Amino acid sequence: AQSVAQPEDQVNVAEGNPLTVKCTYSVSGNPYLFWYVQYPNRGLQFLLKYITGDNLVKGSYGFEAEFNKSQTSFHLKKPSALVSDSALYFCAVRSGFGNEKLTFGTGTRLTIIP
Amino acid sequence: GAVVSQHPSWVICKSGTSVKIECRSLDFQATTMFWYRQFPKQSLMLMATSNEGSKATYEQGVEKDKFLINHASLTLSTLTVTSAHPEDSSFYICSAQPRLARDYEQYFGPGTRLTVT
Repeated sequence: AQSVAQPEDQVNVAEGNPLTVKCTYSVSGNPYLFWYVQYPNRGLQFLLKYITGDNLVKGSYGFEAEFNKSQTSFHLKKPSALVSDSALYFCAVRSGFGNEKLTFGTGTRLTIIP
Repeated sequence: GAVVSQHPSWVICKSGTSVKIECRSLDFQATTMFWYRQFPKQSLMLMATSNEGSKATYEQGVEKDKFLINHASLTLSTLTVTSAHPEDSSFYICSAQPRLARDYEQYFGPGTRLTVT
């Protein structure tokens, strides 16, 4: 069975500082990894994904994530946080073996403090 | 591109009535659509996977007779909550996987908030 862990329910970062939202995963075979952001009462917006290739993936709104196979991690990062980055962030994984189901982490609420 | 809409965005209904939620892919064809349920401050839980023209596949613990899913076309899937009860109150989100999806991308709708009184 595949699973995702987001160890931090809440992350607070001062505006302008770098931010990291952590994610670790467990899956059979090669992982397909995704980050999504959710604003209040809205659906999920796609940020970025790792399928194969370069371990550092760049996505929307200046976010990036680094795939680390040995640590089974896919942490989300941004060099300089904006107040508008405050939202709920979900990491998700699916197996590359044709399993269509995405498994989501429990989410991390990111608050950027002005 | 790749826009998914849901209707209604919110609905209030009385206990015992049925509610239909629509999920549409506006600018692409989706062979597969997914229905999720999200409780307050919790993650998304997959309820079922629907493929156009065939019966939906429900996740363990989801009552198929209570949550009726119809994927009648490549752009429309519906979720009907039958005989709704207050415990069915939740945020329901659909996603759609394009027919020619690269890397199994899913695009999510904005969600429907259901409140059963």
